[in-house]
Amino acid sequence: KAGVTQTPRYLIKTRGQQVTLSCSPISGHRSVSWYQQTPGQGLQFLFEYFSETQRNKGNFPGRFSGRQFSNSRSEMNVSTLELGDSALYLCASSFPGGTAGANVLTFGAGSRLTVL
Amino acid sequence: DQQVKQNSPSLSVQEGRISILNCDYTNSMFDYFLWYKKYPAEGPTFLISISSIKDKNEDGRFTVFLNKSAKHLSLHIVPSQPGDSAVYFCAASARSGNTPLVFGKGTRLSVIA
Repeated sequence: KAGVTQTPRYLIKTRGQQVTLSCSPISGHRSVSWYQQTPGQGLQFLFEYFSETQRNKGNFPGRFSGRQFSNSRSEMNVSTLELGDSALYLCASSFPGGTAGANVLTFGAGSRLTVL
Repeated sequence: DQQVKQNSPSLSVQEGRISILNCDYTNSMFDYFLWYKKYPAEGPTFLISISSIKDKNEDGRFTVFLNKSAKHLSLHIVPSQPGDSAVYFCAASARSGNTPLVFGKGTRLSVIA
């Protein structure tokens, strides 16, 4: 059974650019959550999608957005990149689709974004 | 405000000894707690969980203890092995509510051979 796949694994952008990260959940998992990990800050919740609908949103500015497709794959977008957006972005999926807090999350390896 | 706190950023333990990682939480609605382990360049992997109806859960070398009155949980690893060296994240959620999993900042465990 394939795990959670995130692409790209590494990317470098410059300030002001925008970036799109992709996540393919485990087959059958309908809930996808995104987290940002920075040194000393742990995992900060970005948003959660279930059946193509955003079900929860963390305390991040509107530059951070996401979406989920009918096949449960998800993308997140960060516009007008800032130096502080440099982080590891983690996607996680869960089954059978209850709230993300009710199930064990399975994480992907992450997309490491560096903003110069 | 940090709802889940791991006050020790790092911990060093000798191989074969016990590792104790601590976690405190502030939200009394939390009723489900998990520990994740993370190696460099990998995503966090689920280790063990505990529901608020229990005060202890064991899985092999790993035991999680929950003290609801103190809003405190701990992860015990016995015996510690060099392969346990990783960052450990404590996480909590209120399963009855539509809230996401909230993570602590992590504790880096180093097991010295």
